[in-house]
Amino acid sequence: QKEVEQNSGPLSVPEGAIASLNCTYSDRGSQSFFWYRQYSGKSPELIMSIYSNGDKEDGRFTAQLNKASQYVSLLIRDSQPSDSATYLCAVKGGSQGNLIFGKGTKLSVKP
Amino acid sequence: DVKVTQSSRYLVKRTGEKVFLECVQDMDHENMFWYRQDPGLGLRLIYFSYDVKMKEKGDIPEGYSVSREKKERFSLILESASTNQTSMYLCASTLGQGSEKLFFGSGTQLSVL
Repeated sequence: QKEVEQNSGPLSVPEGAIASLNCTYSDRGSQSFFWYRQYSGKSPELIMSIYSNGDKEDGRFTAQLNKASQYVSLLIRDSQPSDSATYLCAVKGGSQGNLIFGKGTKLSVKP
Repeated sequence: DVKVTQSSRYLVKRTGEKVFLECVQDMDHENMFWYRQDPGLGLRLIYFSYDVKMKEKGDIPEGYSVSREKKERFSLILESASTNQTSMYLCASTLGQGSEKLFFGSGTQLSVL
């Protein structure tokens, strides 16, 4: 059973701090990794994708991938209360190449 | 913008009823998916479809079936609803094979009493 693991949180950070969200996956052959954000009562939306080892930056968001350690993370710099949401890590690797989701980490950014 | 529309936001049904959840997307996407989301269990794939009249089982297909008679519409059917099918159901679509950027509908919160 291919798995994606996340700390469920909640992770609480003060406004302006860096939030660090972590994810590990079991399928060493996985090649594509994604972060979805889900606000309370809303549907998930894709915010970052990463395919190669290293860092990928998009505004205040940085995704980091280490395939050797089977680890992917999301850093949110200058965290804002509007970043408060559940962040879902997803890995492409199901039996038909579908996404496997982690259970999500709930982030709370305190003003 | 891609729009994925689910017919009902909230639905209450009785045990044993046949339940239809409808999903329509307006961007000519090839692939459509049905997930359920439960606290502590995350998003789990029920069924998916890569083409009209085609369906594939996901990770938890038991107790469900699907129908895709037209490209834009993907229906989830609970043949005989049970209380353990109380959940948030999310429909999603993607342009092509690979299911990377999923566009989700707003979800249907189903309660089975």
